[in-house]
Order: sequence, then structure tokens, then C-alpha cells
Amino acid sequence: EVQLVQSGAEVKKPGESLRISCKGSGYSFTSYWISWVRQMPGKGLEWMGRIDPSDSYTNYSPSFQGHVTISADKSISTAYLQWSSLKASDTAMYYCAIWRPPTVEFDPWGQGTLVTVSS
Amino acid sequence: SYELTQPPSVSVSPGQTASITCSGDKLGDKYACWYQQKPGQSPVLVIYQDSKRPSGIPERFSGSNSGNTATLTISGTQAMDEADYYCQAWDSSTVPFGTGTKVTVL
Repeated sequence: EVQLVQSGAEVKKPGESLRISCKGSGYSFTSYWISWVRQMPGKGLEWMGRIDPSDSYTNYSPSFQGHVTISADKSISTAYLQWSSLKASDTAMYYCAIWRPPTVEFDPWGQGTLVTVSS
Repeated sequence: SYELTQPPSVSVSPGQTASITCSGDKLGDKYACWYQQKPGQSPVLVIYQDSKRPSGIPERFSGSNSGNTATLTISGTQAMDEADYYCQAWDSSTVPFGTGTKVTVL
């Protein structure tokens, strides 16, 4: 079974750094891209960016470029989303999902990681 | 940036048909897909490549895409179909999601 398992919920203070993870299993991790999607409380889905784990090539939505960093370690089949300085507005649920180019859909999705940033 | 617009809400009686639209400039020239998201759960793909159903998705879910509008249709709607639905496409290396539609089964 193709599956993505994300790291657990985080509670952080503004200004702190954070890295959350997304571990793939049941498939060759370098065969498909990983996308990250944000969902703020009570709001819709926003695509943040994606990584090709085979060569770590990334591209970001203009809305998130420079605010987050997406990376991957193919030796442990894990992708990451990280912040160097969190803001209260980063409070959201973050999902990773598999993207099989040249198709456009994301499937499956991880279970989500809730990030809460509060002083 | 490319925008996809959906109605905020759709109400449907059990057993009836619900139609959810997704509008974007020349959307019919691109592939569209649809996700279902129930409260507290991750999104689940219900339609891909405009009209295809993934394994395990009931036949009552169908899709179409032409002109500027993609449509998700739920025939014989059941109470379990009450959820938020999002369309999605791919445009110029970015991935827009629709604004989302809450389907209520009355």
C-alpha cells in the first residue's frame, strides 16, 4: 500500500524554527514527487510547493517562495517542510501528498501535521 | 495567478443529484480533478483527469470539463457524501485549488 506518514503535531513560539516530516512507504520514493499543501483553520487548500526526491529539485508557489524550504532525504524516504522563523500566521494543518507527473492530481495524502504558533 | 472559483455551498436532498462547478479561464484545456474532505480528515481524490474515478470511489461520483467550467456530479447523494469538495488543476508550474464547496445533505 502506497502511504505517506507525517510527523506529529507541533506547538511553537513565534520566531522559533521547525521542520516537519513526511515518510513514504509502499513504493519507490524517488519515482514520484511530493507536494506540500497548507490548510489554515476553517479555510481551503493552498499548494505550497513540491520536490522531486530523485534529484531534490523544487519549485514553490509564489505565495510561499522564501518563507519555507522543502527538502528530501531519499535514503530514508522522507520529505521535509521547514521554517526558520515561525509566525502566528503559520498556524495551520500541513499535508504532504504524492504527485505523479505528468498527471495533475495528488494521491494519496498524508494524515496531516497540525502546527500551532502562539506566544 | 490562475484562479478556480467554486460556489461556497450546495444543498441536496438524499437520493437527489448534486452538481458542483469549478470555473477558471479555459479550464477545459487543462485536466481537472476533485477531492472530498470530511471534517478532521485528509482530502481524498474522487475524480481525476476530468472524469475518471479512482479505485474504491462509488459510481455515483462523475465529472466533466469543458470551456471554462469543470463539474463534479454526485448522483443519488447519500448522507455520507456530506463534505467539502475542492477542484484542482495545473497551470504554468503552479497548482491552484478551487475555493471549496460545502455539500450539505438535508
